[in-house]
Amino acid sequence: GENVEQHPSTLSVQEGDSAVIKCTYSDSASNYFPWYKQELGKRPQLIIDIRSNVGEKKDQRIAVTLNKTAKHFSLHITETQPEDSAVYFCAASIGNYQLIWGAGTKLIIKP
Amino acid sequence: ETGVTQTPRHLVMGMTNKKSLKCEQHLGHNAMYWYKQSAKKPLELMFVYSLEERVENNSVPSRFSPECPNSSHLFLHLHTLQPEDSALYLCASSQDSGPYEQYFGPGTRLTVT
Repeated sequence: GENVEQHPSTLSVQEGDSAVIKCTYSDSASNYFPWYKQELGKRPQLIIDIRSNVGEKKDQRIAVTLNKTAKHFSLHITETQPEDSAVYFCAASIGNYQLIWGAGTKLIIKP
Repeated sequence: ETGVTQTPRHLVMGMTNKKSLKCEQHLGHNAMYWYKQSAKKPLELMFVYSLEERVENNSVPSRFSPECPNSSHLFLHLHTLQPEDSALYLCASSQDSGPYEQYFGPGTRLTVT
């Protein structure tokens, strides 16, 4: 079946450094790729998304890049801060509204 | 944070009990989802209801049964659960003509003893 692979499962970076999380997807028809952040004990919340007609999107310290040919997309966080510590999930669309999810990356920001 | 609500927030039940989880969305969406979230695993889609269809993950055991009486409410009925069913159960909603962002509820932490 369709799947999304996400790496790494855990990422530890020094405060102020950049973090990159990568995902690959299998369904070539996927056209929507969101990234969610889930803080401990809280619900997942969308932080940025990208559609297949765009190669890159940026929102302040967060950016997402998409390579449709290679079927992979990445989340980039620059100038990391303690509040960036969380689990991050990538997802790829299946059909008009369903999403298939990566297993998550636990991001640890070291002071 | 009141767009999607879930009750109860925590539930402890024995394997012979019957209970129901409730989800309500106030966003005017027309698709609702049940997910199971276990540690270090991808979010597992259990059921989807949209205006046009119900989608079911075939790997979900029959001891879980969904009910969607209208586009704003979603229930998950539980009976004779197993300890491995202990997890966080998340409800989400979205528009069904997208794809678009899914909005999550706070989840129900279920423990089966």
